[in-house]
Parts: sequence; C-alpha cells; structure tokens
Amino acid sequence: AQSVTQLDSQVPVFEEAPVELRCNYSSSVSVYLFWYVQYPNQGLQLLLKYLSGSTLVKGINGFEAEFNKSQTSFHLRKPSVHISDTAEYFCAVTDTGGFKTIFGAGTRLFVKA
Amino acid sequence: DAGVIQSPRHEVTEMGQEVTLRCKPISGHNSLFWYRQTMMRGLELLIYFNNNVPIDDSGMPEDRFSAKMPNASFSTLKIQPSEPRDSAVYFCASSLEGHYNEQFFGPGTRLTVL
Repeated sequence: AQSVTQLDSQVPVFEEAPVELRCNYSSSVSVYLFWYVQYPNQGLQLLLKYLSGSTLVKGINGFEAEFNKSQTSFHLRKPSVHISDTAEYFCAVTDTGGFKTIFGAGTRLFVKA
Repeated sequence: DAGVIQSPRHEVTEMGQEVTLRCKPISGHNSLFWYRQTMMRGLELLIYFNNNVPIDDSGMPEDRFSAKMPNASFSTLKIQPSEPRDSAVYFCASSLEGHYNEQFFGPGTRLTVL
C-alpha cells in the first residue's frame, strides 16, 4: 500500500519569496505523482503530475516539482509567490497498476504582504 | 464544459435524517469518485465507479452510507440515518479511465448534521 507524508502542515511566506512544499511517499511499486491545489470553498484542481520521463515537472501558475526516486520525494517549488497562491496544497500518489489515489494531509500555504 | 456539478452546496440536517448528495460528472468521463474531507482525517476516498459500476467501496464508513450511479451522468451518495460525525465536505470527482489521468473535482457539499 502507498502512503504520502506532507512534512509541513502550514507554511507562511512573504510575497515574492521562494517556497518549497515537501512531500514524501512510500510504495513498493512504481507510482504516478500529483500535486493538487484547493482554494477556499472550492474543490481540488491539478497543479502538475509526474508520470515518467524528466524528473522535473512544470505545472500551472509557475509551480514545478522534482521527482527524486532515491529519496522517494516529490517536492513542490515556486521561485516567487503571490498573495493569490494562498491555498491548501495536496500531494497525491497512485500506483501504476491501480486506480486509487492516496492524498497527503495537505499543506496550507499563507502568503503575506 | 460546466465541470463536475454537485448539489446541494450546503446541507444542514438533524441527526437521524436521510441525506442525499448528488453529482453530475463531466460528460465523457467514465470514472467517478466520492471523497470525504474533514480536518481530522483529511481527504478520504469513499467509493470509486468505473463505467457506472462500483469497483471499490472499501472506504465507505459503514452500512449507513450507500452510493449509486444509475447512468453515466448522475451519481448519488446517501447517508441514512445521518449522525453528527458525518459532518464533513463531500467531494465528487470524475476522470477519464486510467489511473494516470487528472481527477476533476466538484465544488463539494458541506454537510452539517446537528
């Protein structure tokens, strides 16, 4: 079975500063990895996904993530955040042979002016 | 496309009452998921349908919960009888078949059971 650990429950950061949201996963099989964002009172929407190939994945809104197989990590980064990036971010994993997506507990990003 | 549609957006009911949540997936999507989100437990998968057939309902908490998908454009999640601990936000999501495909989430139904 897979599991996902998001190492920070909350991350406060000033506007225009860089940010990294950390995600580690465990699985005995190959996986697909995802980051979703949830704005207040909305459903989740996909930021980016890693299926195969290049380990650096670029997503929407200037976010990117790097898959590190040896460290079983998939950290999300943005070089300069905006107030509008304030939201909850979820890391998720699906094994390549299954259908069930396991979500992490979420990291709440607060961007301060 | 209108995206995944859920109704109602908010539901307040009293313990013991029946609650029915509704979902219309994106046209052409053949996979449908029901999730529950709470502060304590995060986002939990309740049930997964593929081509209108329930594939995995291992996440359904107990017999009080049931879900149906009578056709490709409609699904319901029913709680009978409801209890205060069922209070949560319930999300419906749909996707094209394939575990690598993006799930599109609805806006959720916020359920409060008094």
